[in-house]
Amino acid sequence: DTAVSQTPKYLVTQMGNDKSIKCEQNLGHDTMYWYKQDSKKFLKIMFSYNNKELIINETVPNRFSPKSPDKAHLNLHINSLELGDSAVYFCASSQGRLTGELFFGEGSRLTVL
Amino acid sequence: GESVGLHLPTLSVQEGDNSIINCAYSNSASDYFIWYKQESGKGPQFIIDIRSNMDKRQGQRVTVLLNKTVKHLSLQIAATQPGDSAVYFCAWDTGFQKLVFGTGTRLLVSP
Repeated sequence: DTAVSQTPKYLVTQMGNDKSIKCEQNLGHDTMYWYKQDSKKFLKIMFSYNNKELIINETVPNRFSPKSPDKAHLNLHINSLELGDSAVYFCASSQGRLTGELFFGEGSRLTVL
Repeated sequence: GESVGLHLPTLSVQEGDNSIINCAYSNSASDYFIWYKQESGKGPQFIIDIRSNMDKRQGQRVTVLLNKTVKHLSLQIAATQPGDSAVYFCAWDTGFQKLVFGTGTRLLVSP
């Protein structure tokens, strides 16, 4: 059983389009995250949710809108995609609000043409 | 093939050698540190963590050393194996419920 699963794994789209990435965790964790990994492998936090409540919004353009329908799901919707949005997006979860061990999904590689 | 990670610091070792990967962190208030391993095409995986009240912690074949005076963290891997080839990241908490990742280091293990 996959602990943190993301779909789709690959996404290729044109500039200006809108796309979504879905994430689900079956670990019973309270906190979920979205991280962005650029072409230099740099990992940066975008958002975190604790029990469906947004607790971190890391100066991300408002074209990015996370949604957490319940504590096991955290989706990421991106409007008006730009070339610079091309990256690998990782969903993660942890038990508890702070840090602790993060469990990552396999990533969703977004390519904007 | 991928062009990502071309500018990533790289450590090349022979199988069986000991590896040391270093990390400088920026937040002197951090009290929790983690090392992650990321294999190609996968998400980062937890290796070992350490709290600021310790300066050394050992796991299976891995040891983390913490020097708070100079804000330096290192990961030692004993008897490195080809399966250890990956990108390694240190991470630290910022005190604001956020984990920040350092620049990764690519470890290449030759048979």
